[in-house]
Amino acid sequence: DAKTTQPPSMDCAEGRAANLPCNHSTISGNEYVYWYRQIHSQGPQYIIHGLKNNETNEMASLIITEDRKSSTLILPHATLRDTAVYYCIVRGLYNFNKFYFGSGTKLNVKP
Amino acid sequence: EPEVTQTPSHQVTQMGQEVILRCVPISNHLYFYWYRQILGQKVEFLVSFYNNEISEKSEIFDDQFSVERPDGSNFTLKIRSTKLEDSAMYFCASSAGLAGGSQETQYFGPGTRLLVL
Repeated sequence: DAKTTQPPSMDCAEGRAANLPCNHSTISGNEYVYWYRQIHSQGPQYIIHGLKNNETNEMASLIITEDRKSSTLILPHATLRDTAVYYCIVRGLYNFNKFYFGSGTKLNVKP
Repeated sequence: EPEVTQTPSHQVTQMGQEVILRCVPISNHLYFYWYRQILGQKVEFLVSFYNNEISEKSEIFDDQFSVERPDGSNFTLKIRSTKLEDSAMYFCASSAGLAGGSQETQYFGPGTRLLVL
C-alpha cells in the first residue's frame, strides 16, 4: 500500500474549519484513501473514504487532488470534541485485509 | 446505529496466564479483525478472519495467539501465556464484506485494555 505523510500536529480554533492534509504521492489507481480518527485511547472511528472524487458526509469532506497524490480532510466547524489523532490511510486492492495506521496528525481544537 | 462491542473493558492478569478477549461484531458483518495499540504507539494489525479461518496475520500474531468465532455472534482473541509486552489496548473491528476489496470499511470497537503484571 502507498505510504502517507501527515503533519504531526495542528491547531484549530473552535468553530473554524479544520483542514488536515495528507500526502500519498505513490498511490496507485485502485487504492482508496481512508480517514479515521482516534480520541484519547478509544477505538479508531471511521470518518470518510474516497477514490477520485471529492466526498462529503455528515462528519467531514474529503478533497482529493486530480493527480490523487494528496488529499485534505475538512471538518467544517471544528468543536472541542474533534480534538483527536487523525489518520490518513491508503488501502490497496490486494492488501485490503488490514489498515496500516501511521502516526497521524494530532488536531488540537482550542476555544 | 450498530456498533462493535468488546468485553471486558479492562483486564489485569499475571504473566503466564491465559486471557480471552471478547468481541461482538456488527450483525451481518462477515470480516473480523484484531488490532492492538501499545501505550503511546501506533495501532498495529494482528489478524483478519473470514469464513471461519484466518485470512491474514501479522508477524506479531505468533503461536501464543489464536482467534475463534465460537458462535454466530462472538469473535474472540486468546493469548495463551501472556507476557509483559502483551500489555496494550486490543481493538476488534468488523466489515460487511459486501463492497469487496479496498472499499471495505472497518468499524472498530472501544477496545480492551490488557495489563500483564
